[in-house]
Amino acid sequence: AQTVTQSQPEMSVQEAETVTLSCTYDTSESDYYLFWYKQPPSRQMILVIRQEAYKQQNATENRFSVNFQKAAKSFSLKISDSQLGDAAMYFCAYRSGDTLAGSYQLTFGKGTKLSVIP
Amino acid sequence: DTEVTQTPKHLVMGMTNKKSLKCEQHMGHRAMYWYKQKAKKPPELMFVYSYEKLSINESVPSRFSPECPNSSLLNLHLHALQPEDSALYLCASSQERGSFYNSPLHFGNGTRLTVT
Repeated sequence: AQTVTQSQPEMSVQEAETVTLSCTYDTSESDYYLFWYKQPPSRQMILVIRQEAYKQQNATENRFSVNFQKAAKSFSLKISDSQLGDAAMYFCAYRSGDTLAGSYQLTFGKGTKLSVIP
Repeated sequence: DTEVTQTPKHLVMGMTNKKSLKCEQHMGHRAMYWYKQKAKKPPELMFVYSYEKLSINESVPSRFSPECPNSSLLNLHLHALQPEDSALYLCASSQERGSFYNSPLHFGNGTRLTVT
């Protein structure tokens, strides 16, 4: 079974600064997908960024980028130029690429609560 | 604005009540999901529908009964719930796995359920 670990329950960052959220995972699969979701107090789970395991290039979405280290099974999220609206719970999630079983399932980490200090 | 709409936003019900949660999406997604989320915890998968058929039931108690009337709608019928069932219930949708299986899930805003 896959597991996702987020070792930082809480993080804080000064507005306009850069912060990195850590995520590691454990899997025996070679084909899978990784996601970062953001959940602000409004409750909606919002997709921040995604990475396909077979792609070497790290994904980027505006101020958000990942450092994907497949061998180390690490998938960290970097937020540049942090804004007040970035304050939220961030969940790292894993999805199997196996189309026969488990591909529906998102395995979530426990989350990291990010605070942005004005 | 969310593309997955859930109603109601809040629900308070007694243990003998029968209520339903509703979810709607118009993105043409053929996979729809129910998740349960307790405070400060990640979402836990409950049910998955694929092409209006139940494909995954994560050993959820029978007091939760899902229904998928058509490809755009997903309901969760509630009956004889317990106080420990109080949680945020999230609906999500995605492309069906056979066509675009790396598609992310799109979530609604959730229904905050309190069982008294």
